[in-house]
Amino acid sequence: DAKTTQPTSMDCAEGRAANLPCNHSTISGNEYVYWYRQIHSQGPQYIIHGLKNNETNEMASLIITEDRKSSTLILPHATLRDTAVYYCIVRPLIQGAQKLVFGQGTRLTINP
Amino acid sequence: NAGVTQTPKFRILKIGQSMTLQCTQDMNHNYMYWYRQDPGMGLKLIYYSVGAGITDKGEVPNGYNVSRSTTEDFPLRLELAAPSQTSVYFCASSGTARSSYNSPLHFGNGTRLTVT
Repeated sequence: DAKTTQPTSMDCAEGRAANLPCNHSTISGNEYVYWYRQIHSQGPQYIIHGLKNNETNEMASLIITEDRKSSTLILPHATLRDTAVYYCIVRPLIQGAQKLVFGQGTRLTINP
Repeated sequence: NAGVTQTPKFRILKIGQSMTLQCTQDMNHNYMYWYRQDPGMGLKLIYYSVGAGITDKGEVPNGYNVSRSTTEDFPLRLELAAPSQTSVYFCASSGTARSSYNSPLHFGNGTRLTVT
C-alpha cells in the first residue's frame, strides 16, 4: 500500500472549514484514498473514501488532485466535536478483509 | 444495534498472567480484526478473521492468540502478559457476504490494558 504523509497537528476555529491535507505521491492507479478519524479514547470512525473524483457525504468532502498525488479532507463547518486525530490511508479497493494500515495521522484541534 | 462491543474496558495484569479480551458484533459482519494502539501512535493489526473458523496473522501477532468459533465473537488471548503489551486494544468488524466490497471498518471503544 502507498505511504501517506500528513501534518502532525492543525488548528481551526469553530464554524470555519477545516482543510486537512494528505500527500500520497506513490499512489497506484487502483488505490483509493480513505479517511478515518479517532475522537479521544474512542475507536476510529470511517469518514469517506474516493478514487479520483471529488466525493461528498454528510460528514465531509474529499478533494483529490488530478494527478492523485495528494488530497484534502474538508469539514465544512467545524465544531468542537470534530477535534480528533484524522488518518489518511491509501489502499486498493478490494473485497473481503480490509486490513488498514494506520499512520500517526493529523491531530486537529477546533478552537472556540 | 450495539455495533462492536468490547469487554472489559480497563484491566491491569501482572507480568506472566493471562487474560482474554472479548469482542462481539451484532451486524452479521464476516470480517473481524484486532488492533493495538500504543500511546501517540497509529493502530497496528494483530490478527484478523474472514469468517468463523478462519483466522490469520496481522502485523504484530507475537504474544497473542485468537479464535473465531461464531460469526459474532472474536476473542483475543494473551497467554503470558508482558509490559510491552501495555496498550489500548481495538476490535473492529466489516462486511457482510453481500457487501464485503470496500466495506468500512466499525470499531469498538477499546480495552485499556496495563501490564506491570
